[in-house]
Amino acid sequence: DTGVSQDPRHKITKRGQNVTFRCDPISEHNRLYWYRQTLGQGPEFLTYFQNEAQLEKSRLLSDRFSAERPKGSFSTLEIQRTEQGDSAMYLCASSLAWGGNTIYFGEGSWLTVV
Amino acid sequence: AQRVTQPEKLLSVFKGAPVELKCNYSYSGSPELFWYVQYSRQRLQLLLRHISRESIKGFTADLNKGETSFHLKKPFAQEEDSAMYYCALSGAGGTSYGKLTFGQGTILTVHP
Repeated sequence: DTGVSQDPRHKITKRGQNVTFRCDPISEHNRLYWYRQTLGQGPEFLTYFQNEAQLEKSRLLSDRFSAERPKGSFSTLEIQRTEQGDSAMYLCASSLAWGGNTIYFGEGSWLTVV
Repeated sequence: AQRVTQPEKLLSVFKGAPVELKCNYSYSGSPELFWYVQYSRQRLQLLLRHISRESIKGFTADLNKGETSFHLKKPFAQEEDSAMYYCALSGAGGTSYGKLTFGQGTILTVHP
């Protein structure tokens, strides 16, 4: 499968711990997106990169969240001092910067904060 | 602020019946509208987009700017259509690509 891959698929952590998720986009895609999805809701945009530049961050992305894409390939999303409200599915997606808005999603990383 | 509303969380129909999943939006400008689908145990994937004006798996959707709606329709539902459906929008233009606003989703169940 050459689609978007995410790791880990599931993570259970204690409140206050830090967690990091990794996303590997489709290889030729220069845009990478992070979304968050809570139960019963649709995905919500968090941030996106074009190559290694982080071009936009949603107000949903508090100071405890940081995302990087150091070489313009894979990306990491770190959550520091996790809270129970951070429990959600974290979705990564990628696309070409041109080509009109077709983005491809990964399977997501489930985070449960206990 | 942009918003997408899917008024039905659950929709059940019988095989062969017509189906319509409703989507209304609010956006100041000219949005691009999409339907995404998530089948059981699969990732979210694009079903169709309004600018393509195409039919995918028998589904069509027409953008009605007057009613700010983008309802998804299929004349004869099949069991394999059972899935979660999300309506989504983005602004038009390069910086808006991929920044989607999703509705809450509608779970469609097609009974045999």
